[in-house]
Amino acid sequence: GQNIDQPTEMTATEGAIVQINCTYQTSGFNGLFWYQQHAGEAPTFLSYNVLDGLEEKGRFSSFLSRSKGYSYLLLKELQMKDSASYLCAVSNDYKLSFGAGTTVTVRA
Amino acid sequence: ETGVTQTPRHLVMGMTNKKSLKCEQHLGHNAMYWYKQSAKKPLELMFVYSLEERVENNSVPSRFSPECPNSSHLFLHLHTLQPEDSALYLCASSQDTSSYEQYFGPGTRLTVT
Repeated sequence: GQNIDQPTEMTATEGAIVQINCTYQTSGFNGLFWYQQHAGEAPTFLSYNVLDGLEEKGRFSSFLSRSKGYSYLLLKELQMKDSASYLCAVSNDYKLSFGAGTTVTVRA
Repeated sequence: ETGVTQTPRHLVMGMTNKKSLKCEQHLGHNAMYWYKQSAKKPLELMFVYSLEERVENNSVPSRFSPECPNSSHLFLHLHTLQPEDSALYLCASSQDTSSYEQYFGPGTRLTVT
């Protein structure tokens, strides 16, 4: 079975840093994705980790530890437009299994 | 049009109605997917098509019937739905089923009354 856990909600101040954790227990693993989904819109790809370590892409970074079944998404220099739901997903072949998403609210 | 498009964006239907959701991808991809997203729940994979052949049917009730006439189009035919089927239905595509990055459409918000 697939079990992917992430916090339900997080709130942070504009300009701050927020870290969204994701833990997973899955029957197979080909990589871990993070998607951003604004309300009423399609999920959009943020990052993909297949090897352990940190992947940095501008203000967003993603970390993976396969031995611990753990990933995090780090959002730096938060902007109001970063208010959205962030989805952690584990791939097993072509199948993506998603967590329920973390709603991040950025306050001025 | 670019990316993945879905129509309609919103749909309200009674339990005895028959309706269809349409997805079209303009990316030249060979794999297409249907997902269901209910409030506060993870996205659930429903169906996967690769080169117009269904490769995954994830224990979805028969009141949902997918159709993939070609690699650019995917339909989800709906009949005798239940109120608990109300959700956001998302379509996605990828280069093929060995390509991990999926591109999502904006979804159809379905309400069953």
